[in-house]
Amino acid sequence: EAAVTQSPRSKVAVTGGKVTLSCHQTNNHDYMYWYRQDTGHGLRLIHYSYVADSTEKGDIPDGYKASRPSQENFSLILELASLSQTAVYFCASSDRNSGNTLYFGEGSRLIVV
Amino acid sequence: GDKVKQSPSALSLQEGTNSALRCNFSIAATTVQWFLQNPRGSLINLFYLVPGTKENGRLKSAFDSKESYSTLHIRDAQLEDSGTYFCAADTGYQNFYFGKGTSLTVIP
Repeated sequence: EAAVTQSPRSKVAVTGGKVTLSCHQTNNHDYMYWYRQDTGHGLRLIHYSYVADSTEKGDIPDGYKASRPSQENFSLILELASLSQTAVYFCASSDRNSGNTLYFGEGSRLIVV
Repeated sequence: GDKVKQSPSALSLQEGTNSALRCNFSIAATTVQWFLQNPRGSLINLFYLVPGTKENGRLKSAFDSKESYSTLHIRDAQLEDSGTYFCAADTGYQNFYFGKGTSLTVIP
């Protein structure tokens, strides 16, 4: 069974602090994604990557950085967390050879105070 | 405007009845995926579709790329079908655009 694991699952951060959300996949997938979910907005793409050491901007990249040090790992970095970044964050992976199906992690709930 | 519009936004169903959810696309969608977000918040992949139809148990989905829409039919709704259903469309560049979801409640 494909697996995407996120950490931490829940975090409270202070405004202006640095937050790192981590994602690890054992699917051997090329593509990895970070999505943000807010009530009433569905999921919106922040950053994605199709190869290690390279990241691409999604639809809402402002205030976020991403890092893909290896095929298995993809991090989302909030250098200066703000109240508006309170949300649930989902990591996902996919691969053209596996039919492009998105496999999601369990989500990371971030509260910025 | 929204690239993917889902309807209805919320729905209540009596257990054992049928319903259909719909997504309309304002982008040139090449593939569509349907997900169920369960009450715990987990996103479960239901279908991955190129133009055509797929069926899995009580669920059936169709995607018409020319008319830019997709549907998800639920037959004989059960309590465990409750949750929020999302569709996501890809234009061929591995960037999946999500709708805002349909919140489904199945009533005993």
